[in-house]
Amino acid sequence: AQSVTQLDSQVPVFEEAPVELRCNYSSSVSVYLFWYVQYPNQGLQLLLKYLSGSTLVESINGFEAEFNKSQTSFHLRKPSVHISDTAEYFCAVSERMGGKLIFGQGTELSVKP
Amino acid sequence: EPEVTQTPSHQVTQMGQEVILRCVPISNHLYFYWYRQILGQKVEFLVSFYNNEISEKSEIFDDQFSVERPDGSNFTLKIRSTKLEDSAMYFCASKGNLINYGYTFGSGTRLTVV
Repeated sequence: AQSVTQLDSQVPVFEEAPVELRCNYSSSVSVYLFWYVQYPNQGLQLLLKYLSGSTLVESINGFEAEFNKSQTSFHLRKPSVHISDTAEYFCAVSERMGGKLIFGQGTELSVKP
Repeated sequence: EPEVTQTPSHQVTQMGQEVILRCVPISNHLYFYWYRQILGQKVEFLVSFYNNEISEKSEIFDDQFSVERPDGSNFTLKIRSTKLEDSAMYFCASKGNLINYGYTFGSGTRLTVV
């Protein structure tokens, strides 16, 4: 059965520092991978996704994630964070198009001035 | 940008009462979902709906839950007899038919059972 593990429940970081939010998954088949962001009292917003092709995917606000099949990982990175990046970040996996998303436990990113 | 709309944003209900949570998915999407997030916990899959029928459901989605797409635009989640442990944020999501479409989530309905 598929599962997603986000190794860090909380990541405090100073503004303009780099950050990496870790995500590992388990699945017996090929997967589609997603990162969602949840700002306080809001819904889930798609940050980026890996469906196929290039293993490095980027979002419009400077985040990137790399699909590593051998390590079954999809870590999220940003070279320089802003205060406005403070939010909960969820990694998710789906085993087929249109299939259910399985979410990790979430990582709370807290950016301090 | 197209949105998934959920109403109400917050609902308080007494234990044992029935509630209906409403969602308007993106108009040309074909896959529909309900998820829930208990406070402080991860987002959990409840049910998926495709071609006017349930395609998959989780263990959480027991007989007290049901879904409908009554008029081709709305997608509803009904909880027949609410329990205290049903208190959670409920998210509706939809997805288009093409592989490069992501899953779009609504802003959620916070259900509080008292």
